[in-house]
Amino acid sequence: AQRVTQPEKLLSVFKGAPVELKCNYSYSGSPELFWYVQYSRQRLQLLLRHISRESIKGFTADLNKGETSFHLKKPFAQEEDSAMYYCALSVAGGYNKLIFGAGTRLAVHP
Amino acid sequence: EPEVTQTPSHQVTQMGQEVILRCVPISNHLYFYWYRQILGQKVEFLVSFYNNEISEKSEIFDDQFSVERPDGSNFTLKIRSTKLEDSAMYFCASSAGGNTEAFFGQGTRLTVV
Repeated sequence: AQRVTQPEKLLSVFKGAPVELKCNYSYSGSPELFWYVQYSRQRLQLLLRHISRESIKGFTADLNKGETSFHLKKPFAQEEDSAMYYCALSVAGGYNKLIFGAGTRLAVHP
Repeated sequence: EPEVTQTPSHQVTQMGQEVILRCVPISNHLYFYWYRQILGQKVEFLVSFYNNEISEKSEIFDDQFSVERPDGSNFTLKIRSTKLEDSAMYFCASSAGGNTEAFFGQGTRLTVV
């Protein structure tokens, strides 16, 4: 079965601290993974996808097929990073159907 | 920047009533989707739509649900006879291709009383 697990509902850090939001997936095929972010009162928006290997707003994520993980990292958190973060999996040939994790709320305190 | 637009932002309906949620996808997009998020739960895929037909649907998308693209711009989700458990945030999304970024609308909060 295809599944995305985000074990932490809430991650609370101070400004300037490193951040790692965990994501594990279950999928037997070749996965495509994404991180979506939802700032307060805004829509879900794509933060990054593993195939682009970009760094967006200082965030990076590396796909680890051995550990079936796609953790989101940032070395120095900013207050404006406070948001809900969703890890999502797209299955091959799935017409872009996304399977979401439960989400992690990141709270960055001054 | 083009956006996916959903109306209304909040809909309250009585149990058993029909409801239509409306979406205007980004104009040159070809793939359309509905997702929902029950309060406190994860975002769940409902249905994808391409070339004027459903390309995939989840087990949630039963006979009470239907989708339509009535004209060149709107994409609607109809729930025929709403139940209390249909209360959720419903998100519309669109993408240019089957393997390209999905852009989400701001959501419609449906409350069934």
